[in-house]
Amino acid sequence: DAGVIQSPRHEVTEMGQEVTLRCKPISGHNSLFWYRQTMMRGLELLIYFNNNVPIDDSGMPEDRFSAKMPNASFSTLKIQPSEPRDSAVYFCASSQAPGQGLVEQFFGPGTRLTVL
Amino acid sequence: AQSVAQPEDQVNVAEGNPLTVKCTYSVSGNPYLFWYVQYPNRGLQFLLKYITGDNLVKGSYGFEAEFNKSQTSFHLKKPSALVSDSALYFCAVRDNTGGFKTIFGAGTRLFVKA
Repeated sequence: DAGVIQSPRHEVTEMGQEVTLRCKPISGHNSLFWYRQTMMRGLELLIYFNNNVPIDDSGMPEDRFSAKMPNASFSTLKIQPSEPRDSAVYFCASSQAPGQGLVEQFFGPGTRLTVL
Repeated sequence: AQSVAQPEDQVNVAEGNPLTVKCTYSVSGNPYLFWYVQYPNRGLQFLLKYITGDNLVKGSYGFEAEFNKSQTSFHLKKPSALVSDSALYFCAVRDNTGGFKTIFGAGTRLFVKA
């Protein structure tokens, strides 16, 4: 398996532009997580899905952020409009359901977002 | 509410010496506990986990961790550190009540000096 795939790996954009980050989880995993990592705030959980349904989006910083999971193999995180304080590394992770005994998360390589 | 604390921002150790990276947790019910490692410009990688059973858990790259229920701790250890172990280490906790949310600690940077 190729692992969790994220695209793009790097994104540089200007303030006010729309940014879309993409994630393909590991096949067979039914939980998907979006995290943001910054020096100041560390690793923050933004939202997670189970069986394509958003379970907890309490970590989404504000309405400018939205996430979707239209099917089991694809998720997007969108920022519209983007602001310089959104600059961070965004990680996607996936895991199997607890009942299957494998509960660790597998992380993608991340997308480094820079908003100018 | 779940929480996890890593009391040390950085741990320095000489190559060949034993290392310990500390973690304490708070969770309702029985915990699932994890350690992850992050190398520069990479995503987090799973090292080991405690679900149930033996309190001493062995994981990747010679790392192990000891679950101590009375002290609510899950310290990461390695008998002999390597320079290549230098990285950022995260402790994480998840409850076993059916929720999916995993809480990560702030991370501890391990620096192994040759």
